[in-house]
Amino acid sequence: TQLLEQSPQFLSIQEGENLTVYCNSSSVFSSLQWYRQEPGEGPVLLVTVVTGGEVKKLKRLTFQFGDARKDSSLHITAAQPGDTGLYLCAGANTNAGKSTFGDGTTLTVKP
Amino acid sequence: DVKVTQSSRYLVKRTGEKVFLECVQDMDHENMFWYRQDPGLGLRLIYFSYDVKMKEKGDIPEGYSVSREKKERFSLILESASTNQTSMYLCASSSGPGGEFFGPGTRLTVL
Repeated sequence: TQLLEQSPQFLSIQEGENLTVYCNSSSVFSSLQWYRQEPGEGPVLLVTVVTGGEVKKLKRLTFQFGDARKDSSLHITAAQPGDTGLYLCAGANTNAGKSTFGDGTTLTVKP
Repeated sequence: DVKVTQSSRYLVKRTGEKVFLECVQDMDHENMFWYRQDPGLGLRLIYFSYDVKMKEKGDIPEGYSVSREKKERFSLILESASTNQTSMYLCASSSGPGGEFFGPGTRLTVL
């Protein structure tokens, strides 16, 4: 069974601070996704990374896939209250139609 | 704009009732998924489907069944609802491994 561990589980910061959340596994994945979920809504796909060492940027968000494709990080620069939400990582493999989801990091950005 | 829609945002049912949750996607995706999300337990996969009339059990299929008669529609059925099935139910679709698009969710309460 493939597992994804996310850390920290909860994070509360002030507006303008930087933060990094982590997603780690002992298994190799073909690709890894990051999602953001707001209360009462479904998760929204932010990014997919597929190549070991790959870095993708989405405005103030930077996503990195580990060289061995077992881990990933999400870095947010100058966090804003609108970044508040549950951040989920998920890993997928080419020969399996389903994804493995981490338990998420709940981020609160205070104005 | 791509979309996954779910038949209800909120639903209240009584113990023993048969419950149907409907999901429709307009992206011509082959894969469709049903998850439930509970505090502290993360996203748990109930059933998924690779194609019309095909279904695969996920991690927690007990007490649920599914139907996929058309490519765009995937239904989750609770044959006899129980209080421990009170949860947020999320439908998703994808064209391949990883990168799922989620609906807004159905918050089901079983009394």
